[in-house]
Amino acid sequence: QSALTQPPSASGYPGQSVTISCTGTSSDVGGYNYVSWYQHHPGKAPKLMIYEVSKRPSGVPDRFSGSKSGNTASLTVSGLQAEDEADYHCSSYAGSNLVFGGGTKLTVL
Amino acid sequence: EEQLVESGGGLVKPGGSLRLSCAASGFTFSSFVMNWFRQAPGRGLEWVSTISQKSDFMGYADSVKGRFSISRDNDKNSLYLQMNSLRADDTAVYYCAREVGGWARSPWGQGTVVTVSS
Repeated sequence: QSALTQPPSASGYPGQSVTISCTGTSSDVGGYNYVSWYQHHPGKAPKLMIYEVSKRPSGVPDRFSGSKSGNTASLTVSGLQAEDEADYHCSSYAGSNLVFGGGTKLTVL
Repeated sequence: EEQLVESGGGLVKPGGSLRLSCAASGFTFSSFVMNWFRQAPGRGLEWVSTISQKSDFMGYADSVKGRFSISRDNDKNSLYLQMNSLRADDTAVYYCAREVGGWARSPWGQGTVVTVSS
């Protein structure tokens, strides 16, 4: 069982927006602004999409955005595209280590 | 291009050993903290181990402490994970990843599959 809770699946049509949640506690998500999101196409290397809750690394489209409220962080993908179909994993600093969610499979319908 | 490539995975019997390697390219390997992660079938990612730039700090998840050993060779731009006393629940895809700011990790490798089964 993962430390952070993510919905197992999410979906949307091309062009729509989808938000994936990541719920933790005050000891991880709620206690630090060190939430990251990774996109993972099966068989490929996971890719950093968001760090420090809402910052985007160079090269990540601005369709991807992150936020946090209390113990829940969120990743929003706007203007869904076919290539966005992947697994998305959240992670958070937890005081002395890094914890992850179980991952969310995003399907573009 | 910054890249990490893992190797060394395979099928091993319970109690056996395996040594994973991670070859880095496209960046100054010696300047970064490096990590191993794993993802077991049907489960989320799990942090396994961390090593500092000069190997003066190593950290391990409780689930692997005393069985796994992380090391690096900065001259060879390589990271290693020696896995001993392997158990069925060590079965997973193992990834290496570079530590960057804000407790984020980038890039990651494509992973190497470790299967522990009799």
